[in-house]
Amino acid sequence: DTGVSQDPRHKITKRGQNVTFRCDPISEHNRLYWYRQTLGQGPEFLTYFQNEAQLEKSRLLSDRFSAERPKGSFSTLEIQRTEQGDSAMYLCASSDRTGGKTTGELFFGEGSRLTVL
Amino acid sequence: DAKTTQPTSMDCAEGRAANLPCNHSTISGNEYVYWYRQIHSQGPQYIIHGLKNNETNEMASLIITEDRKSSTLILPHATLRDTAVYYCIVLHSGTYKYIFGTGTRLKVLA
Repeated sequence: DTGVSQDPRHKITKRGQNVTFRCDPISEHNRLYWYRQTLGQGPEFLTYFQNEAQLEKSRLLSDRFSAERPKGSFSTLEIQRTEQGDSAMYLCASSDRTGGKTTGELFFGEGSRLTVL
Repeated sequence: DAKTTQPTSMDCAEGRAANLPCNHSTISGNEYVYWYRQIHSQGPQYIIHGLKNNETNEMASLIITEDRKSSTLILPHATLRDTAVYYCIVLHSGTYKYIFGTGTRLKVLA
């Protein structure tokens, strides 16, 4: 078990370009979360999946953001037409819901830092 | 989603107990209290959680008031490595959506 991995760790892009982040959760974890974090703020909830189903998406998330988890394993977060305000750390986390009872523990990756110039 | 209120920052002397308070006055009966911490430039790390009863594990203790409107995370013997931002989260058992606030920045002083 290698933990939650995210790729790339750092991305620098020009305004208007599209970017995609990938998250590989801990094997067999059925819940996967995406968060965004800016300097001095706590992680901001973006969306989460149970298996391949996207259960909730933050109202703060514009239409330029889309997330998928096609086979219930890895997930991608795409940002279209990036803006300077999208510069942030994008965190992925996974958890396991076993036997109908949550273990209560989110396992976070190291994050993908996006800089939009 | 129930909201939480935490002090912005706290200091604690190394070796002493660190007591981090959290107010969650709008908590519902089926909502758990979770604590996470985030050390600089790392992802948040789970510490402990509870519903009604006090809880203890190898990292910390969680004291929840009888009316459940507030709780305290206790690090019994703080070390310099405990310097981090600590987040108190109230989680509805049906949604599993974790909403982080701005947390408490704990600084452990040598």
